[in-house]
Amino acid sequence: QSVLTQPPSVSGAPGQAVTISCIGTSSNIGAGHDLHWLQQLPGTAPKLLIFANKNRPSGVPDRFSGSKSGTSASLAITGLQAEDEADYYCQSYDSNLRAWVFGGGTKLTVL
Amino acid sequence: EVQLVESGGGLVKPGGSLRLSCAASGFTFHTYGMTWVRQAPGKGLEWVSCINGGGNYLYYADSVKGRFTISRDNAKNSLYLQMNTLRAEDTAIYYCVRGPDVEPTKFYFDSWGQGALVTVSS
Repeated sequence: QSVLTQPPSVSGAPGQAVTISCIGTSSNIGAGHDLHWLQQLPGTAPKLLIFANKNRPSGVPDRFSGSKSGTSASLAITGLQAEDEADYYCQSYDSNLRAWVFGGGTKLTVL
Repeated sequence: EVQLVESGGGLVKPGGSLRLSCAASGFTFHTYGMTWVRQAPGKGLEWVSCINGGGNYLYYADSVKGRFTISRDNAKNSLYLQMNTLRAEDTAIYYCVRGPDVEPTKFYFDSWGQGALVTVSS
């Protein structure tokens, strides 16, 4: 089991919006530690999508947005496109484990 | 352009050793923290080890502590991972990853190499 909990899969039609949740505990997200999101397209290395809860690196479309509240966080994707089909991972730091931790990943399918 | 190129992966028997290298370019290497993250076949991401820009703070996941050693040579813009006493469960793609040289609670992984496959099997 991963320290951060994500749904295994989500899906949506082109143009629609989806949300991916990431649930943590009081020793990671709930401790106020930053939450980040990564996108892994099929057969490629992961890529940073959102850092420090809600910030987009240069080049990431504003269709992607992040939020955090309490012990959970969310990644929202609007205007779904076929090229958004990928695995998405949340990542934070855990004070109890003294380790950087990931969610188990969510596979996004664009119908 | 940031480039991270891993090398040194391959097939090794259980109990054996392997040393991964990562050649960095396109940025001021010594001002960034560096990390190794691995991904077992068909599985999710697992943080392995991290080193700060100066090379004096080292961090390890419990699963590799005592067996793996991270190091860096800022003069050569290179990151290393010495892996000893390898086990079947260490089989994975190992990614060299860059992050800002900040406190651990704020550290994130902003640039990734393409990965090096390590297979531990008899």
